[in-house]
Amino acid sequence: GAGVSQSPSNKVTEKGKDVELRCDPISGHTALYWYRQSLGQGLEFLIYFQGNSAPDKSGLPSDRFSAERTGGSVSTLTIQRTQQEDSAVYLCASSLSGNQPQHFGDGTRLSIL
Amino acid sequence: AQSVTQLDSHVSVSEGTPVLLRCNYSSSYSPSLFWYVQHPNKGLQLLLKYTSAATLVKGINGFEAEFKKSETSFHLTKPSAHMSDAAEYFCVVSDRSGSEKLVFGKGTKLTVNP
Repeated sequence: GAGVSQSPSNKVTEKGKDVELRCDPISGHTALYWYRQSLGQGLEFLIYFQGNSAPDKSGLPSDRFSAERTGGSVSTLTIQRTQQEDSAVYLCASSLSGNQPQHFGDGTRLSIL
Repeated sequence: AQSVTQLDSHVSVSEGTPVLLRCNYSSSYSPSLFWYVQHPNKGLQLLLKYTSAATLVKGINGFEAEFKKSETSFHLTKPSAHMSDAAEYFCVVSDRSGSEKLVFGKGTKLTVNP
């Protein structure tokens, strides 16, 4: 069956621009997570959505980062006024519910020039 | 807070020899522990999980891990390495404070030599 789909797979943009990263979770999965993978910091949790509950935003590094999940399915991670330190691979994961194993997409590799 | 420490950043083995990737965890309660594998330019794939049932957990591709509470360890093993096992491996603990977010180790890069 279809796995977690992320787009674009690669994104190159200039410092100061806004970017949107998309995640399409596995159908029927109620939980959705965003993580960031960078050379210096390893894998870090960013944000978690579970059903209609308020998201856990505790991992977002600054107010330039935001995410939404429309209709309980597709999610968009937005980074405003990008900085060079935002360069990383952004990974999305989904699970059937909050305590089930997470399935990951292939990520979006973001490069800020 | 939960954390995991992967004791080796790089491990190199010959094809056909055993693999041992070491992981120690810290948790204030009975943890859920996972091993994930990441091949180059790919996402993470779940190898196996421990959730307080059997302490010896069998995963995919011949991997297994043993939960040892007395040693706070969850080492990953495989009897015989294959070239396709070359990848980066992450030991992970689940934060069960509500969000079930994953806390990752720094990763161990496994090289398999012919």
